[in-house]
Amino acid sequence: ETGVTQTPRHLVMGMTNKKSLKCEQHLGHNAMYWYKQSAKKPLELMFVYSLEERVENNSVPSRFSPECPNSSHLFLHLHTLQPEDSALYLCASRLDRGSNQPQHFGDGTRLSIL
Amino acid sequence: KNQVEQSPQSLIILEGKNCTLQCNYTVSPFSNLRWYKQDTGRGPVSLTIMTFSENTKSNGRYTATLDADTKQSSLHITASQLSDSASYICVVSSMDSSYKLIFGSGTRLLVRP
Repeated sequence: ETGVTQTPRHLVMGMTNKKSLKCEQHLGHNAMYWYKQSAKKPLELMFVYSLEERVENNSVPSRFSPECPNSSHLFLHLHTLQPEDSALYLCASRLDRGSNQPQHFGDGTRLSIL
Repeated sequence: KNQVEQSPQSLIILEGKNCTLQCNYTVSPFSNLRWYKQDTGRGPVSLTIMTFSENTKSNGRYTATLDADTKQSSLHITASQLSDSASYICVVSSMDSSYKLIFGSGTRLLVRP
């Protein structure tokens, strides 16, 4: 148990659907992250939030829309996705974005686009 | 360009044997290096973290080494167990941007009985 919970664990959706991924942490961390993990590729940083403010948007297509309503919750809203968006989406949190403390990862949402 | 290269890409060993995984990086200026373990269907979990001044760190049967001069790190697993089967990911952070981590592609380890 890492303290970071992601839901759903699995999601299958069509290209025209709209869905949201949810991440929750109660570790008292101030920074939260979304990553994309594709097979045999390094984790790709998508978004970084620090104290609920987005501080990084790593050239992610607009069909991915993050939301951080408070420091414990992070969402990733999805719409009109493409087949190449099928991947494992990992959420992570950290005490502060500049800290040397490790990131704590959730177990991810496995997303499949039909 | 900041990069992290890991080798081998995959490895199969027998239970009880030792193994060593390699990580080479070109990240500069260097801040710290972490090794993560990722079980199948789970998120990565931190094993060790080393800063510039540290050249070895242990966590149970896992021992990480760091040579900041050659920009190489290794993760040595002693007396492997079936539960060590996982992907091991090397992650380096730069002083330029400590919140931005550079990930390797990982080494997939399979421990067979």
